[in-house]
Amino acid sequence: QSTLTQPASVSGSPGQSITISCTGTSSDVGRYKLVSWYQQHPDSAPKLVIYEVNKRPSGISDRFSGSKSGNTASLTISGLQAEDEADYYCCSYTAPTTWVFGGGTKITVL
Amino acid sequence: VQLVQSGGVVVQPGGSLRLSCAASGFRFDDYTMHWVRQVPGKGLEWVSLISWDGSATYHADSVRGRFTISRDNSKNSLYLQLNSLRPEDTALYFCAKDIRTFAYEGIDHWGQGTLVTVSS
Repeated sequence: QSTLTQPASVSGSPGQSITISCTGTSSDVGRYKLVSWYQQHPDSAPKLVIYEVNKRPSGISDRFSGSKSGNTASLTISGLQAEDEADYYCCSYTAPTTWVFGGGTKITVL
Repeated sequence: VQLVQSGGVVVQPGGSLRLSCAASGFRFDDYTMHWVRQVPGKGLEWVSLISWDGSATYHADSVRGRFTISRDNSKNSLYLQLNSLRPEDTALYFCAKDIRTFAYEGIDHWGQGTLVTVSS
């Protein structure tokens, strides 16, 4: 299974909006609505921030939003805050019943 | 939701071990469970999943035939048997819970991770 393609790093100033892309294929991101996004701070387990392309779990700020177009999913963080500095991973279902992650994007708050 | 994993271990190449994960705070037997691993400093890699009743299991190509996922719903516990270990299997292994009951929809909660080091 190949990994989904994410930019290695994205940076932004506090208050700005940033978007992370996650490019797959017609066999994963393009075919299924089961795309999720995870935030991981150093030495911590990942935390779910978006599931099913654009749904937010309870307790996740509405500054986090997700979308998908074709084979590319995106995570947007608006009103960037210092606490948002972390690694972010996308993940998609792919047949036959396996899951594939992106390589991860390091978000830096300037 | 709590997922508490067993402690880290060092094992020789070619060796075997079993990881365990104790679940609490939710109806364990209603949820698919997953294992995901992460080489230190690198990205996440999905490893295996097992359906809520244990009737179906799936593994990544990289571990198929060497790793086996299982569960004991009477003990609210998830396991991963790792055989024929290779140095490239060195990673932090996370157990994780699926988002929805009786489905395969993705991961919402994660354990703290177990560091497996394969080295002679």
